[in-house]
Amino acid sequence: NAGVTQTPKFRVLKTGQSMTLLCAQDMNHEYMYWYRQDPGMGLRLIHYSVGEGTTAKGEVPDGYNVSRLKKQNFLLGLESAAPSQTSVYFCASSYRRTNNEQFFGPGTRLTVL
Amino acid sequence: AQRVTQPEKLLSVFKGAPVELKCNYSYSGSPELFWYVQYSRQRLQLLLRHISRESIKGFTADLNKGETSFHLKKPFAQEEDSAMYYCALRVGNTGKLIFGQGTTLQVKP
Repeated sequence: NAGVTQTPKFRVLKTGQSMTLLCAQDMNHEYMYWYRQDPGMGLRLIHYSVGEGTTAKGEVPDGYNVSRLKKQNFLLGLESAAPSQTSVYFCASSYRRTNNEQFFGPGTRLTVL
Repeated sequence: AQRVTQPEKLLSVFKGAPVELKCNYSYSGSPELFWYVQYSRQRLQLLLRHISRESIKGFTADLNKGETSFHLKKPFAQEEDSAMYYCALRVGNTGKLIFGQGTTLQVKP
């Protein structure tokens, strides 16, 4: 099993450009999450999904959109990138049960110039 | 407000010394707390959860509801313990986690 994978690993964008980050999991998890990691801020939840076709906002959703058309995939979109979105983005997934462990992807390092 | 605070950005100790990484939380409900660890060039992974009351790699953490704390402890640090440690609080019933700012543990030889 590959677990949680993220594409791409690195990306550099110019302000105003758009892009989509792809997260895929092969563990049949119901829940999926997108976080951003910034120095001194820890991980902050951007959006999450509790099942195929559903999405919800997390702590810092502004400037991002998500979609979960298939259970195994969770896409994070930036419609018009800003320098403030320079960060490392992590995807995670988990089973739907109490006290569930989240399994994380390797991260995507995004720089917006 | 729901919040997790890790007051130390960096904790540096010598090999064999005791370690305590502090975590305090603020939550009106019944808390479920976790410690996650990120070793160099590896992905973030679960270290332990309070409900299991387990010891993993020599680490333990006790939930103290009176002090709203969940400090991570190890009696004798090893060099391989060097990593970034995050305390996390589960909120609601959708598995959402609120993370602290993280503490980098540096174990010197």
